[in-house]
This record gives sequence, C-alpha cells and structure tokens, in this order.
Amino acid sequence: DGGITQSPKYLFRKEGQNVTLSCEQNLNHDAMYWYRQDPGQGLRLIYYSQIVNDFQKGDIAEGYSVSREKKESFPLTVTSAQKNPTAFYLCASRGDSFNQPQHFGDGTRLSIL
Amino acid sequence: KQEVTQIPAALSVPEGENLVLNCSFTDSAIYNLQWFRQDPGKGLTSLLLIQSSQREQTSGRLNASLDKSSGRSTLYIAASQPGDSATYLCALNSGNTPLVFGKGTRLSVIA
Repeated sequence: DGGITQSPKYLFRKEGQNVTLSCEQNLNHDAMYWYRQDPGQGLRLIYYSQIVNDFQKGDIAEGYSVSREKKESFPLTVTSAQKNPTAFYLCASRGDSFNQPQHFGDGTRLSIL
Repeated sequence: KQEVTQIPAALSVPEGENLVLNCSFTDSAIYNLQWFRQDPGKGLTSLLLIQSSQREQTSGRLNASLDKSSGRSTLYIAASQPGDSATYLCALNSGNTPLVFGKGTRLSVIA
C-alpha cells in the first residue's frame, strides 16, 4: 500500500536537545512538505522540497532544519533554537502534476520534558 | 497573498441533517481547491479536489462546488452521520507553490 510514514508517533525533547522527525513516502512523489499544527492556529508551513537536494523555507522555518538526500525521505530536525517546539507535526507529499491531491502522514506529536 | 477563510469555526448538527461548510479565498488565480478531513490526532485525508475549470465534484454523500469569480467553495454533506464528525479544511493550489490552508471547521454530528 502506498503512503506516507511518519515516526515516531510521540516524541519528547529535553531542553537544549535536537530531535529528528522521520518522514518516508513510497508514492514516488517529487514534492514533500512539513507543517506544524497548533490548536486554533491551523497548519503552518515549515519547509518544503520540490526535488531531491533542494528545499525552501516556509512561513516558520526558524529553529528547524531539513535535508532531502533521497526522493522518498524528508527528515525534519527540531533544533534547540526552536523555543516552543510543542506541537503536532505533519508531513505531506504531492506528485509532479498540480492537479494531483496532496497526501499526509499520520503526524508526530512533540512535547517538551 | 492568498488568504483562505472558513466560517464557522465550529458547527454542531443533529444526525440526518444536510449541511454546508464554507470556504472563501481572496485570489481567484488558482489551479485547484482541495477539501480535507482531519480526525483528532490524525493526519489529513483528501476528500475532493476541484480543478479551476470545474464547477463541482461529488464523492458519495459529499459534493464540493467552486465559484472562482466570487472566491467561494462549499462542501455539502448529505444525511450527516456521527462518523462525519471531524475537522474539515479547504486548501488552495495556485501553481508551483505550497497549498494555502484555511483553519478548518470543526463539525460535530449528534446522534
């Protein structure tokens, strides 16, 4: 079954620690996205990548970093510079046609210890 | 800059009622509009995608319409069921840029 796998489902971060959220897709999609969701805030775009070895900042990139070394993988690192990382993180992907729907993973919930 | 608004933020209806969710947007230069459903603690599931050249799309009890000239889309849910309870989000695609999302309407269908 094709889809997007996010891991872990729950993650806890200590003060000053970097943590990495995994996102893997087997849909052969070129474009991948990371969103942050807070209660009442809707979805906010962190980073996106439209092709391997290339990515762009979204609306709230500060304190986050990404890499896109493989088409199927787009990991997100939440660095210690992100002072309020507690949120629900969603990864998504889309094929190379603008008229293809965007697909989402089941999310990772990050909390501070 | 594209802005997407969904009103109301929350809606509660009795089971069996037909209902309409609204989505408005400021820039009519779009490729398509997508409606999603999100259950608590889960990711988004794509329900319907309407291309800019289309007026509506249907899937089962769901019907989505698009009126670019007025900057509006509606999602019609027929004969609502408790299992329809979720948050419904609309998103606009303006081309080679990421989707722009509304904040969603939280729907509760009461048995």
